[in-house]
Amino acid sequence: GAVVSQHPSWVICKSGTSVKIECRSLDFQATTMFWYRQFPKQSLMLMATSNEGSKATYEQGVEKDKFLINHASLTLSTLTVTSAHPEDSSFYICSHEGQNTDTQYFGPGTRLTVL
Amino acid sequence: RKEVEQDPGPFNVPEGATVAFNCTYSNSASQSFFWYRQDCRKEPKLLMSVYSSGNEDGRFTAQLNRASQYISLLIRDSKLSDSATYLCVVRSWVGTDKLIFGTGTRLQVFP
Repeated sequence: GAVVSQHPSWVICKSGTSVKIECRSLDFQATTMFWYRQFPKQSLMLMATSNEGSKATYEQGVEKDKFLINHASLTLSTLTVTSAHPEDSSFYICSHEGQNTDTQYFGPGTRLTVL
Repeated sequence: RKEVEQDPGPFNVPEGATVAFNCTYSNSASQSFFWYRQDCRKEPKLLMSVYSSGNEDGRFTAQLNRASQYISLLIRDSKLSDSATYLCVVRSWVGTDKLIFGTGTRLQVFP
């Protein structure tokens, strides 16, 4: 199956700083990637759909100016958490669909802790 | 009401036991159904898709009841390595086509 990498795997930052998370599709050209967030003991929640070469589509309640998404190539999507606050501490996971759209390939996730 | 509901557990079972998890979903127009497994601090991994006719993969059996909007997962002969959180996932059209995840049911298999 497809391989998805994320970098960094974990990050600790101070409140007010910005953090960039990279999601790479290593062996598949993904026109669409998905960004999820998971708080402890909660379900994965879709934040936004990242579209190569165009603007991302954000889910209701997700601030597009706070969570900046760039999908500049078919193998890389980035999520930047701007002016991070402690409530943004979470597990961020990206994914893309395979040839079979019912198959999702997830990255290993990035654990963000904002102090 | 949550779109996908699961009993959070935990289910603590001995090795060799049979355990069943249930899940209900609210959107009757949901199209595809899955069980994912998530280990602590890891990404979810697809365990199996769920078909209307029911399907089996080794020790795992999944069932779907569209009329009741209910999905189940049965694990036979539990292994220690089955300890994880099992996520019920539904593909629905809610404004856009997307996956809706349940909060998961935690399984702990003990020796």
